Amino acid sequence: NAGVTQTPKFRILKIGQSMTLQCAQDMNHNYMYWYRQDPGMGLKLIYYSVGAGITDKGEVPNGYNVSRSTTEDFPLRLELAAPSQTSVYFCASSSTGETQYFGPGTRLLVL
Amino acid sequence: GNSVTQMEGPVTLSEEAFLTINCTYTATGYPSLFWYVQYPGEGLQLLLKATKADDKGSNKGFEATYRKETTSFHLEKGSVQVSDSAVYFCALSDRAAGNKLTFGGGTRVLVKP
Repeated sequence: NAGVTQTPKFRILKIGQSMTLQCAQDMNHNYMYWYRQDPGMGLKLIYYSVGAGITDKGEVPNGYNVSRSTTEDFPLRLELAAPSQTSVYFCASSSTGETQYFGPGTRLLVL
Repeated sequence: GNSVTQMEGPVTLSEEAFLTINCTYTATGYPSLFWYVQYPGEGLQLLLKATKADDKGSNKGFEATYRKETTSFHLEKGSVQVSDSAVYFCALSDRAAGNKLTFGGGTRVLVKP
């Protein structure tokens, strides 16, 4: 049972480069989320989606974009990477919007 | 707005010691409360939850009681093991805020043999 999967596990980007973090879930959950976790800090919500075709901003959306064309996938796009985007990124999904199930994370280093 | 405050770590304990991690919250509505655990190198896992006042969540020997009068949801375990070493996050989900989770800063717990 795969649950929530994320790729890649680790990536190094140069300043100004772009990349897409992939997230997929096989639980048929309508709700999906992207968080970032900075060292020693809690998680901050970047974007979320309540269903295919519907996305909304979270607490820290600047510098990111998302799309939700299918129930299963919720990619996060970084345009013009900056050192401030160095973080660990977690994707999560939920059937009800309450209990969330997290992926293993993507560690991103921007140099 | 909503917020969650939990005690800062690290908390270092010996095996079989009693663990308490304090968590208090501020919410405009009637939140559900959660404890998530993050083991080294992994994502967060739900440890336990409580959805209304006076509910007690429990799992793997951990317990937490939803105290509306003190706006608290403290996590306790009577006898910790080395395998309990992890970072613990308190969180709330407020239906009035679209069910988005608000996390505390996390508490690192280290259990020594």
